[in-house]
Amino acid sequence: DSGVTQTPKHLITATGQRVTLRCSPRSGDLSVYWYQQSLDQGLQFLIQYYNGEERAKGNILERFSAQQFPDLHSELNLSSLELGDSALYFCASSVGGGPAGNTEAFFGQGTRLTVV
Amino acid sequence: DAKTTQPPSMDCAEGRAANLPCNHSTISGNEYVYWYRQIHSQGPQYIIHGLKNNETNEMASLIITEDRKSSTLILPHATLRDTAVYYCIVRVDGSSNTGKLIFGQGTTLQVKP
Repeated sequence: DSGVTQTPKHLITATGQRVTLRCSPRSGDLSVYWYQQSLDQGLQFLIQYYNGEERAKGNILERFSAQQFPDLHSELNLSSLELGDSALYFCASSVGGGPAGNTEAFFGQGTRLTVV
Repeated sequence: DAKTTQPPSMDCAEGRAANLPCNHSTISGNEYVYWYRQIHSQGPQYIIHGLKNNETNEMASLIITEDRKSSTLILPHATLRDTAVYYCIVRVDGSSNTGKLIFGQGTTLQVKP
């Protein structure tokens, strides 16, 4: 158990819909990272938040957005869903990732999103 | 961040040491070598990391060559539960850099009975 909690574990929804994925980082971790893993793309970095502020952006679509709340949990919002958005979505957290430098990141077990 | 090259797949007999190589010939002086693994669609699991000295923890050992252009992850006594995709990643850990990890295709290690 990494200490990173993601909910829900599975999500099935229709095209065009909007969903929210939630991530609770390990206690004390200030950084939250979101990754997408589809069958043909491997693990792709989407976005990072550090202590409530966006820190880094990767290949995140405009239809996707994220935020980190004052209690440090994070949500990834996916809208206007397409079949190609079906994937595993992982959240990771780390103590570092900010001005003090980086540390190892720990991953949650993921949310499997299926768009039908 | 520097690019890494790993063999796409390897086999290892159960109980034997698994040696997973990684080439990072363009690594710069302030880049660390990180290893993660992913067991069958579970979340990636941190294994070990190092800068230039060899490192060991309860999971594995990391051997980095003196010129730092390559490294080897060693699982001393592989078990069937070590079957996974292993990712070698290089990353700058300085204060001006984010903590994002860029994953390549990794090495699929199959441990066989």
